[in-house]
Amino acid sequence: NAGVTQTPKFRVLKTGQSMTLLCAQDMNHEYMYWYRQDPGMGLRLIHYSVGEGTTAKGEVPDGYNVSRLKKQNFLLGLESAAPSQTSVYFCASSYGSAAEAFFGQGTRLTVV
Amino acid sequence: EDKVVQSPLSLVVHEGDTVTLNCSYEVTNFRSLLWYKQEKKAPTFLFMLTSSGIEKKSGRLSSILDKKELFSILNITATQTGDSAIYLCAVYNNNDMRFGAGTRLTVKP
Repeated sequence: NAGVTQTPKFRVLKTGQSMTLLCAQDMNHEYMYWYRQDPGMGLRLIHYSVGEGTTAKGEVPDGYNVSRLKKQNFLLGLESAAPSQTSVYFCASSYGSAAEAFFGQGTRLTVV
Repeated sequence: EDKVVQSPLSLVVHEGDTVTLNCSYEVTNFRSLLWYKQEKKAPTFLFMLTSSGIEKKSGRLSSILDKKELFSILNITATQTGDSAIYLCAVYNNNDMRFGAGTRLTVKP
């Protein structure tokens, strides 16, 4: 059982570069989320999706874009990376809003 | 704006102690509250609570929700060094799931 898979696991970017993080789930979940985790700040919601073709902003959406063209995939894009986006990024998915969320293993991104 | 507040932010205890972690929330359209444990990598699920007053229990861990006072507690009895982790509280509204800052628990031998 793959569950939730994030790629890549590590990445170093230069300021101004762009990249896309991929989240894939094989549990047929409707809801998917992208979070970032910084020391002492828990997980902060960037964007989320409640179904294929839908996306919405979370707490800290600036500098990020997302797409959910297929139900199983949720992509997070950084168009012009900044050092403030250095963080660990987690993707999660769930059946709905009263269900356990399953997490990927995280992507450690460093922007220099 | 939806808010989830955990306390304390950090806690150091010795093996065998009992700890109580707190989570208070202000959320529109509350659906559920979840507790997660995070060691080195991804958070792992502990409990989901939707109704007041019903204790969820798993081994030495237990949790309860008070929807009137808008808080939950997570209790760990007879702590062990393996309980050292960040404990995260999350609350679902109709669509999204918001987390608190977490409580970093350190259990010393």
